[in-house]
Amino acid sequence: GDSVTQMEGPVTLSEEAFLTINCTYTATGYPSLFWYVQYPGEGLQLLLKATKADDKGSNKGFEATYRKETTSFHLEKGSVQVSDSAVYFCALASGGSNYKLTFGKGTLLTVNP
Amino acid sequence: EPEVTQTPSHQVTQMGQEVILRCVPISNHLYFYWYRQILGQKVEFLVSFYNNEISEKSEIFDDQFSVERPDGSNFTLKIRSTKLEDSAMYFCASSELALGAETQYFGPGTRLLVL
Repeated sequence: GDSVTQMEGPVTLSEEAFLTINCTYTATGYPSLFWYVQYPGEGLQLLLKATKADDKGSNKGFEATYRKETTSFHLEKGSVQVSDSAVYFCALASGGSNYKLTFGKGTLLTVNP
Repeated sequence: EPEVTQTPSHQVTQMGQEVILRCVPISNHLYFYWYRQILGQKVEFLVSFYNNEISEKSEIFDDQFSVERPDGSNFTLKIRSTKLEDSAMYFCASSELALGAETQYFGPGTRLLVL
């Protein structure tokens, strides 16, 4: 079945550091890929998405590129801020099941000033 | 900006009791979902709902679970006889369409603790 594996946390960085959170997937067909973020006390919010190979999703300085050859969708940001502290979830929706998301375990990011 | 709301934010119940978790999806959305996250584990799909019927459900969603849209705004998840292992954060989500690329909008979750 479909699955998502993402980098175990927690990740602690200093402000302005470079961020990478790794995400790889297994899916049938050609899935759509997502990064969701959960700030403390809030629900899951879509951060960015990509729907086909080589697409790059971007938002708020975050980027992720859909790499079919390596089945990966790594999240990157060049310079993190304290306000980026949150839990980040990688997820996919596969062609076999367009109605549900399959999530990774989540990665807690803490950015210190 | 429209958002999905959930009540209550926290619920504590005794094993064997029934609980109802409530959600108000975004008003023009047609597809509704429940997910759960047991502490330290992945967010897991439970069920999707469209046009007043279940579209898909996971293996977790057994006969103890049911969903309902009792009126034009609420979407509920009922657990008939709670077990200790039902303790989790339950997320409701909604989307306008049911396509692979469609964004699902999530509520803040209800933390359920079964004692």
